[in-house]
Amino acid sequence: RKEVEQDPGPFNVPEGATVAFNCTYSNSASQSFFWYRQDCRKEPKLLMSVYSSGNEDGRFTAQLNRASQYISLLIRDSKLSDSATYLCVVTPGANNLFFGTGTRLTVIP
Amino acid sequence: DVKVTQSSRYLVKRTGEKVFLECVQDMDHENMFWYRQDPGLGLRLIYFSYDVKMKEKGDIPEGYSVSREKKERFSLILESASTNQTSMYLCASSPLHNPNYGYTFGSGTRLTVV
Repeated sequence: RKEVEQDPGPFNVPEGATVAFNCTYSNSASQSFFWYRQDCRKEPKLLMSVYSSGNEDGRFTAQLNRASQYISLLIRDSKLSDSATYLCVVTPGANNLFFGTGTRLTVIP
Repeated sequence: DVKVTQSSRYLVKRTGEKVFLECVQDMDHENMFWYRQDPGLGLRLIYFSYDVKMKEKGDIPEGYSVSREKKERFSLILESASTNQTSMYLCASSPLHNPNYGYTFGSGTRLTVV
């Protein structure tokens, strides 16, 4: 079983739409959670950490559900510039991260 | 800002060549990592290092080795390049014992082995 699993998409949404991605993880001892964004042919960049109580950064909201072992990312009022691949990342607490394969989002004008 | 620099953006090598991929970070991070990224497989860890002269195998170390002679530099070596090592290679760094920090990645090296 993979450490982290994501729906690869693609998700094609119109500008202004709200879109949500989920990601499940297998290790219940996982301690830290992140969402990374990766543009085509570029490196992954940290989008936001995910905290137990949930957290928001502008149009982006991240949630953690430890009981069901999943994290989510909600994007409101989608912009064309949000088009990218979103990587779910989990760490068991050691100095190593486990990456999902990513969910591709395309925002359509 | 932390900067992680990979020496080459694109590289084309012949089968059997020895290939060196260099990575340098400028924020005094203890941890450094080498990943490869392939479509449908995501990022897979090749090797990582927590300290100078220290290395640990990741999930797919076969056909690779690494060197960390200085804290800021982590090199990935393909001893004898093969076509199945054609991939995007990403270096990353992070501070030790700070799992909430996440990683900072270099811009990647797209290696083609012909």
